[in-house]
Amino acid sequence: SQELEQSPQSLIVQEGKNLTINCTSSKTLYGLYWYKQKYGEGLIFLMMLQKGGEEKSHEKITAKLDEKKQQSSLHITASQPSHAGIYLCGADTNNQGGKLIFGQGTELSVKP
Amino acid sequence: SAVISQKPSRDICQRGTSLTIQCQVDSQVTMMFWYRQQPGQSLTLIATANQGSEATYESGFVIDKFPISRPNLTFSTLTVSNMSPEDSSIYLCSVENPTGYGYTFGSGTRLTVV
Repeated sequence: SQELEQSPQSLIVQEGKNLTINCTSSKTLYGLYWYKQKYGEGLIFLMMLQKGGEEKSHEKITAKLDEKKQQSSLHITASQPSHAGIYLCGADTNNQGGKLIFGQGTELSVKP
Repeated sequence: SAVISQKPSRDICQRGTSLTIQCQVDSQVTMMFWYRQQPGQSLTLIATANQGSEATYESGFVIDKFPISRPNLTFSTLTVSNMSPEDSSIYLCSVENPTGYGYTFGSGTRLTVV
């Protein structure tokens, strides 16, 4: 099984709708990172979470970290076609800095 | 955030040949990380490159196959040696942002081995 599980694997939403992507770790989280990837391209850094209960926002995207559950959620409010892409969560589970493991990604499509 | 210039952006190579990928960072960084993203898969860390010492490879990756150079604090190269079609992937470098907030990735090198 994956050390970092993302769900759902894919998501199709109507423009304007809200959505949530989850990322669950089987190990202790020392840092949780959210990225967006356009198909076949590099990763765009969205947010970093380190403390339990922490919540960060970037434009209409909000991420939370539940340290006890070893889980993070990414919430997009009023989705737009520009939000389409693959969302990846990455985690530092060794407290070694930089050595991240990644989830399988969630492919988001937003229908106009 | 750090700014990384990664080259080439893509290449199609013959099996048995080697390709060297370069990453240039706009600031000095202690560690640079190299990842691989196989088709339809997520990212997997290949190795960590420190300036002035040999790279540290993750399980499943060896220096003979993926030699890395780190001549200074702003530059690193990854070579994919003796390529086979199974090496077809996107290769990305990464560094910690100077602020300590998050990690920036290069734009990736899409490699196809034929």
